[in-house]
Amino acid sequence: GAVVSQHPSWVICKSGTSVKIECRSLDFQATTMFWYRQFPKQSLMLMATSNEGSKATYEQGVEKDKFLINHASLTLSTLTVTSAHPEDSSFYICSARDSRASSYNEQFFGPGTRLTVL
Amino acid sequence: AQSVSQHNHHVILSEAASLELGCNYSYGGTVNLFWYVQYPGQHLQLLLKYFSGDPLVKGIKGFEAEFIKSKFSFNLRKPSVQWSDTAEYFCAVNAGNNRKLIWGLGTSLAVNP
Repeated sequence: GAVVSQHPSWVICKSGTSVKIECRSLDFQATTMFWYRQFPKQSLMLMATSNEGSKATYEQGVEKDKFLINHASLTLSTLTVTSAHPEDSSFYICSARDSRASSYNEQFFGPGTRLTVL
Repeated sequence: AQSVSQHNHHVILSEAASLELGCNYSYGGTVNLFWYVQYPGQHLQLLLKYFSGDPLVKGIKGFEAEFIKSKFSFNLRKPSVQWSDTAEYFCAVNAGNNRKLIWGLGTSLAVNP
């Protein structure tokens, strides 16, 4: 149980294009999902908290118009990197919390998406 | 502000050596504590967690951690490491009403066969 998937697992795009990354909770409902960014050999940086049916909460310094988050259902959140540039190249990871679990504060992580912007 | 510090950034051990990775946090109230592991090329996996109860928590693959409230610590231990334990280890804390996980910078562990 508690499996989170991400699609795609890797993507290469041209500078200026937009890329959408999907995060799905496969066997549980998640009212809250989180989007992280991880640079090589570094820790995770929380970008935003995605809330089902409402606007995402962005961390300080994260451009909400560049990183669009949509959490339209209890099992799906999407992150769209708009007008991507090479500096947006990174490893993007999502996580989800099981809304009904007793261990409510535990997050389950997706496998990540490697984005390379040329 | 809440923070998590991991004292060891890089650790190199030989197989069968004992391991202890330090983790300290700054928050005076109720906390949930986690250790995650990231093997090379793989995604994050939960090693163990502490929510309440026995402060000595046992996780997967022979790992354990002890929550010492007075020291604001949650150190990770393993009595005998294996080459397959080579990975990045992250300590994370969820504090109070804050639903976010606060992450340490991670410790890179290399175990030589």
